[in-house]
Amino acid sequence: AQKVTQAQTEISVVEKEDVTLDCVYETRDTTYYLFWYKQPPSGELVFLIRRNSFDEQNEISGRYSWNFQKSTSSFNFTITASQVVDSAVYFCALREAGNQGGKLIFGQGTELSVKP
Amino acid sequence: DTGVSQDPRHKITKRGQNVTFRCDPISEHNRLYWYRQTLGQGPEFLTYFQNEAQLEKSRLLSDRFSAERPKGSFSTLEIQRTEQGDSAMYLCASSSTGGNTEAFFGQGTRLTVV
Repeated sequence: AQKVTQAQTEISVVEKEDVTLDCVYETRDTTYYLFWYKQPPSGELVFLIRRNSFDEQNEISGRYSWNFQKSTSSFNFTITASQVVDSAVYFCALREAGNQGGKLIFGQGTELSVKP
Repeated sequence: DTGVSQDPRHKITKRGQNVTFRCDPISEHNRLYWYRQTLGQGPEFLTYFQNEAQLEKSRLLSDRFSAERPKGSFSTLEIQRTEQGDSAMYLCASSSTGGNTEAFFGQGTRLTVV
């Protein structure tokens, strides 16, 4: 069965701190895709990154970085030097290649609050 | 056309009434998805279309729910005889075909059943 777990419900940091959001997934597929989305108070889910199961290279984009480890089924997201604008709910999601429709399985989300 | 648009943004209805939501996907996307999100939870898959064909429905989609995508363009989601448990954010997303593509989401329709 496919499942995504984000154990951290809420995280609060002070601006300029680094913060890591954890994501652990379960799947029986050997090919799958992992995603991170950001949901600001306006409600729209904003795509941040996609990772393929056969590509374990970590990725950095500005202040954002992602650490993908198949051995621990984790896809963690780090924000360096956090800013107030980073405050949002962040979702990790899984898509199995075996699912023809491409539906996403989401975790419960981590609400990040960055205080000035 | 810069993204997925949903209408209305908010809907308050009395229990037992029918409601209909609309989603306009990104024009070149042939896949369209509906998700439901309740407070403090991640979005849950409801159904998806490839062009005009509805190819998968979740068990969450009771008989009171129906979705259409005539002509493979916009989609509507109708809820008949609404119940208080239907109160949620209904999110629409669209994507190109293929697992290696991201879905783009609209801002959602927040439904409150009183």
